[in-house]
Amino acid sequence: DGGITQSPKYLFRKEGQNVTLSCEQNLNHDAMYWYRQDPGQGLRLIYYSQIVNDFQKGDIAEGYSVSREKKESFPLTVTSAQKNPTAFYLCASGPTTVSTDTQYFGPGTRLTVL
Amino acid sequence: DQQVKQNSPSLSVQEGRISILNCDYTNSMFDYFLWYKKYPAEGPTFLISISSIKDKNEDGRFTVFLNKSAKHLSLHIVPSQPGDSAVYFCAAGSGAGSYQLTFGKGTKLSVIP
Repeated sequence: DGGITQSPKYLFRKEGQNVTLSCEQNLNHDAMYWYRQDPGQGLRLIYYSQIVNDFQKGDIAEGYSVSREKKESFPLTVTSAQKNPTAFYLCASGPTTVSTDTQYFGPGTRLTVL
Repeated sequence: DQQVKQNSPSLSVQEGRISILNCDYTNSMFDYFLWYKKYPAEGPTFLISISSIKDKNEDGRFTVFLNKSAKHLSLHIVPSQPGDSAVYFCAAGSGAGSYQLTFGKGTKLSVIP
C-alpha cells in the first residue's frame, strides 16, 4: 500500500555526532519536505525538494543537510552544527500538479541528543 | 513574525456539541488553506482544505469557513466525538509554484464524553 515511511521511530545520538533520518515515499510525488516540531510549536520547514537533484533551504536549515538522488527518497542529516537537535522530525511529500496540492506526512522520527 | 496564528492553545468541548477552531493569517499572498489533525508521536493527517475562491468547504462532520477580508478561517466539527481529541494545525500556502506551507502552532482539542 502507498505511503510515506520514516525510520527509525526513535533515535538517540551523542552530542557531536551526525545522524541521518530516512524518508521514503511510494506515492509518486515530486515534492518532499522536512519539518521539525518542538513542544508548543507548529511545524517549521527545514528543507524541501520539488524535483530530483534539487532542493531548497526552508526557514531553519542551519545545521541540517539533505540529498535527493531518487524521487522516492529524501534523507535528512542532522549535523553536529545543529545547536538544539532534540525534536520530532516529520517528512512529507506532495504532488506538484496544481497550486493547491496537499502535503502528506510520514509518522515522524523522535530524535534525542544525549 | 508569525504569518499563521492559532491564538487558542487548547479547547474543551462536550461530546455531541460543536467544536470551532480558529486561525488568522497575515500574508495576503496565501490563497489556499488546510487543516491537519495530529495525535501525539504521529504525523499530521490531512483533514480538509479550502481555496481562496471559496468561502466554505464541507466534508462530513468537518466544515471550513474562510473570511478573506478578515484574513480568518475556522474549522467546525459537528458533532464532536471523543476520537476528535487531538492537536489541530492550520496551514496556508501561496500556491505560486512553491508548494510550501506555513503552519500555525496548533490548538489542542479535548472532547469530553
